[in-house]
Amino acid sequence: GQQVMQIPQYQHVQEGEDFTTYCNSSTTLSNIQWYKQRPGGHPVFLIQLVKSGEVKKQKRLTFQFGEAKKNSSLHITATQTTDVGTYFCAALSWGKLQFGAGTQVVVTP
Amino acid sequence: DAGVIQSPRHEVTEMGQEVTLRCKPISGHDYLFWYRQTMMRGLELLIYFNNNVPIDDSGMPEDRFSAKMPNASFSTLKIQPSEPRDSAVYFCASRSLSGGRGFGSYNEQFFGPGTRLTVL
Repeated sequence: GQQVMQIPQYQHVQEGEDFTTYCNSSTTLSNIQWYKQRPGGHPVFLIQLVKSGEVKKQKRLTFQFGEAKKNSSLHITATQTTDVGTYFCAALSWGKLQFGAGTQVVVTP
Repeated sequence: DAGVIQSPRHEVTEMGQEVTLRCKPISGHDYLFWYRQTMMRGLELLIYFNNNVPIDDSGMPEDRFSAKMPNASFSTLKIQPSEPRDSAVYFCASRSLSGGRGFGSYNEQFFGPGTRLTVL
């Protein structure tokens, strides 16, 4: 099955700084979803991207789907301590989601 | 709706014992998923059901694992006998194919709070 690779695995960010996490696939994806998991919590759906080149924003979060639909990115501006957690991308294929390994984000005040 | 409900939230057992994890999906959702999360292997899909029928169990580690969904509002994941390497957080998730109408976005998966299993 298709696999999605996420980089970086860990991200240490100073509060107020921006950062980006990336999701890559060797195959064309029908769609990509992003989830956030707070420490000790469960994954929570953030967004779904379907169209080539699609860009969606949620406050300080910007999600992008590549033109070739093989990669996606999540950019967070002005990081806050509430952004702490692990961000997963997931590709939907044959009714099931294939999750990436996630990017664990630590925010330093 | 209370969301996806899982029980127990924590389970500590000894090797060789039978463990049963329970899940109540969101009412009206037609898909149910069981995941396992560990530091080493990340989030793994074990099995999923559509309209109470198991569709794909290729992620079930071995015959010690079994899952059932006797009706639309209840599912169990059983491990018999349990082993220390089964220690993990087990999540149940549900989804509505069509989304909308309070079911979230199309294809959005709702996860339960998880069961943290420790096998000694």
